[in-house]
Amino acid sequence: DAGVIQSPRHEVTEMGQEVTLRCKPISGHNSLFWYRQTMMRGLELLIYFNNNVPIDDSGMPEDRFSAKMPNASFSTLKIQPSEPRDSAVYFCASTPPGQTYNEQFFGPGTRLTVL
Amino acid sequence: QKEVEQNSGPLSVPEGAIASLNCTYSDRVSQSFFWYRQYSGKSPELIMSIYSNGDKEDGRFTAQLNKASQYVSLLIRDSQPSDSATYLCAVSFYFGSGTKLNVKP
Repeated sequence: DAGVIQSPRHEVTEMGQEVTLRCKPISGHNSLFWYRQTMMRGLELLIYFNNNVPIDDSGMPEDRFSAKMPNASFSTLKIQPSEPRDSAVYFCASTPPGQTYNEQFFGPGTRLTVL
Repeated sequence: QKEVEQNSGPLSVPEGAIASLNCTYSDRVSQSFFWYRQYSGKSPELIMSIYSNGDKEDGRFTAQLNKASQYVSLLIRDSQPSDSATYLCAVSFYFGSGTKLNVKP
């Protein structure tokens, strides 16, 4: 079975441009998470969805960041406008239904560089 | 976000030794605790989960949980060079910054 799929794997853009990251969770999983990883701040939870509904977006750094999950098989994280400090690896993870806190399955990540 | 603290390391151990990784957390009501391994340039992968006080063993790995002290640890016995990676402690959905482990041949 396919794991969590993320695209693109690498993105280089210029400051001020809009960036859209995409994620397809594992089929049957009902929770989806977006994380950002940097050397300085480690792995930060940005937002998570349960059954396509945003549950906690307190980690979203500012209004420039937005996330959507229009259906069970697709989610996007958008940054508009992008800034150099947004450069990081962005991971998407999903978990199966069941107990409240389950093992997370991570995608390969998107490495974002904002020049 | 909930605080999860780890020593960043690096922790260096010789091949065959026991590596001990530690983690403390701030949220007293947390119920789920995980250890993930992350190789350089790769995504995190789960190696252990623990939900109850005490020890849980899986092969060369033992996770230990003490909720009263808000402390969780991971022991790796007979450490191998292939264990060299960053180990991330997670409490529910929140991660520590990771401890880099180097196992020297």
